Amino acid sequence: DAGVIQSPRHEVTEMGQEVTLRCKPISGHNSLFWYRQTMMRGLELLIYFNNNVPIDDSGMPEDRFSAKMPNASFSTLKIQPSEPRDSAVYFCASSPRLAASTDTQYFGPGTRLTVL
Amino acid sequence: KQEVTQIPAALSVPEGENLVLNCSFTDSAIYNLQWFRQDPGKGLTSLLLIQSSQREQTSGRLNASLDKSSGRSTLYIAASQPGDSATYLCAVREIQGAQKLVFGQGTRLTINP
Repeated sequence: DAGVIQSPRHEVTEMGQEVTLRCKPISGHNSLFWYRQTMMRGLELLIYFNNNVPIDDSGMPEDRFSAKMPNASFSTLKIQPSEPRDSAVYFCASSPRLAASTDTQYFGPGTRLTVL
Repeated sequence: KQEVTQIPAALSVPEGENLVLNCSFTDSAIYNLQWFRQDPGKGLTSLLLIQSSQREQTSGRLNASLDKSSGRSTLYIAASQPGDSATYLCAVREIQGAQKLVFGQGTRLTINP
């Protein structure tokens, strides 16, 4: 398996522009997670899905952030409009089952976002 | 609110030494605790997962322990190698939040040849 795939790997944009980050989870995994990592705040969970349904979006910082999972093999995280403080590394992770205490999460390589 | 703390923030040791990384958490109501490794510019890789009913897990030169009642975990690395240089993150999975993982800030480990 190719693992969790994220695109793009790097994104540089200007303040006010729309940014879309993409994720393909591992085939057969039912849960998908979006995280953000910064030096100041570390790794934070933004939102997670189970069977394509959003379960908890309490970590989404503002209404400018939105996430979708139209099918089991694809998810997007959109920021509109983007701001310099959104600069961070965004990770997508997937897991086989939501409620299994033995299952770990498999992380993608991340997208490094820079908003100028 | 669950808080996870890792000490030290950075550690530099000569090759061959045994070392211990520490993790503490404030709420003992957890499903499991995991240790991850993160290499620069890359994602996280799971190293060890300890379920709440377990005391320790071992994988090769790595041994992780869990004392849920005191809210502590340690990651022991034996005979360290330069390839072990990375950031090590501890994360607890909350019972309340289903699969929600709460991460520590990590320990940046450097093994000097």
